[in-house]
Amino acid sequence: AQKITQTQPGMFVQEKEAVTLDCTYDTSDQSYGLFWYKQPSSGEMIFLIYQGSYDEQNATEGRYSLNFQKARKSANLVISASQLGDSAMYFCAMRHIQGAQKLVFGQGTRLTINP
Amino acid sequence: EAGVTQSPTHLIKTRGQQATLRCSPISGHTSVYWYQQALGLGLQFLLWYDEGEERNRGNFPPRFSGRQFPNYSSELNVNALELEDSALYLCASSNGQRTNYGYTFGSGTRLTVV
Repeated sequence: AQKITQTQPGMFVQEKEAVTLDCTYDTSDQSYGLFWYKQPSSGEMIFLIYQGSYDEQNATEGRYSLNFQKARKSANLVISASQLGDSAMYFCAMRHIQGAQKLVFGQGTRLTINP
Repeated sequence: EAGVTQSPTHLIKTRGQQATLRCSPISGHTSVYWYQQALGLGLQFLLWYDEGEERNRGNFPPRFSGRQFPNYSSELNVNALELEDSALYLCASSNGQRTNYGYTFGSGTRLTVV
């Protein structure tokens, strides 16, 4: 069974600082994908970044990077130079490449950027 | 390109009634997923439809049901509403071939049961 764990219910960061949001996962499959989504107060889920289980390099998308440590089963999101607009809920998710293919989400981390 | 659209945006129902939520996927996407997000909680998987068929179902009672139409739009029905069904219901679509793209979500339907 898949399971995603996000241990930080809330994070408070000063504007322009970097922030790391933690995510660990559990799966017995070898082929899977890891995702991070941002959910502003409006409710829509915004896709941020993807990491495949066979990707050797950490994924990057602009200010977002994913610190992927396969042996430790962790997929932390790093946001560099945080902005006030980064304040939102952040969800880590996993999807098996074969089989059910549903996205399984963690409980989320509420990030607040202070000016 | 239009995104995933959900209707209605808000829905208020009385306990025991039925609710119908609708979702139109991105053009070309054949898979539709439904998730429930209770207040302050993560997303719980409800249903997955692909090519008109139900492919997978989460741990929800049978009064949660749905269908996918030939144009790939989808409907979620919740019968015999209970107070704890109050939540944000999110629909997402994907092209099943692009497993690295994740899903594209709609803005959700906020269901309130009173």
